[in-house]
Amino acid sequence: EVQLLESGGDLVKPGGSLRLSCAASGFTFSSASLSWVRQAPGKGLEWVSAITGSGASSYYADSVKGRFTISRDNSGNTLHLQMNSLKDKDTAVYYCVKVRAASYDSSGYPENWGQGTLVTVSS
Amino acid sequence: SSELTQDPDVSVALGQTVRITCQGDSLRNYYANWYQQRPGQAPVLVIYGEKNRPSGIPDRFSGSSSGSTASLTITGAQAEDEADYYCNSRDNSGNHLHYVFGTGTRVTVL
Repeated sequence: EVQLLESGGDLVKPGGSLRLSCAASGFTFSSASLSWVRQAPGKGLEWVSAITGSGASSYYADSVKGRFTISRDNSGNTLHLQMNSLKDKDTAVYYCVKVRAASYDSSGYPENWGQGTLVTVSS
Repeated sequence: SSELTQDPDVSVALGQTVRITCQGDSLRNYYANWYQQRPGQAPVLVIYGEKNRPSGIPDRFSGSSSGSTASLTITGAQAEDEADYYCNSRDNSGNHLHYVFGTGTRVTVL
């Protein structure tokens, strides 16, 4: 059974930094692309970032590009999201998501979701 | 970037059929996926690749697509189907691992 457990969410002031982690189990970690998706309070889902299985390539939404960095530790089965220069609008629950490969599309689709960790950016 | 637009709210009588639609240019090029999110819970995949159900998802959930519109149909809605539903596809920019989510539809079962 795929399990994704996020941690690291906290209250932080605007301009501050935070590092989220996601501990994964139940699948071959190094073979799976992974993603972060966030959801602001009472709002919809927003794709934030993704990384390939090897960690060689990473991708970002325009809203976080240059401020957030996604990384992974394949020896420890852990995904990270380093968030710098945080803004009020970054307040959200951040979900760790496993991407399932698909024969019809190299990008596959988001399949399994963690329970999320809450990041609150406020002075 | 891409946008996927959904009706904000729909309601359905218990046991009846409801269709949720999702419109966006990316759907002309990429398959839609659908997620169910109950209050206070993480999203759960209910349809992938336009019309495929993951194991454990009831067969009352089905997906279809035409042009720039994808649809999720619940045939014989149950009380437990009351939730928010989000469509998703690959971003139309064509960039690898870039995704876009729909605006979401709240389904109320009467």
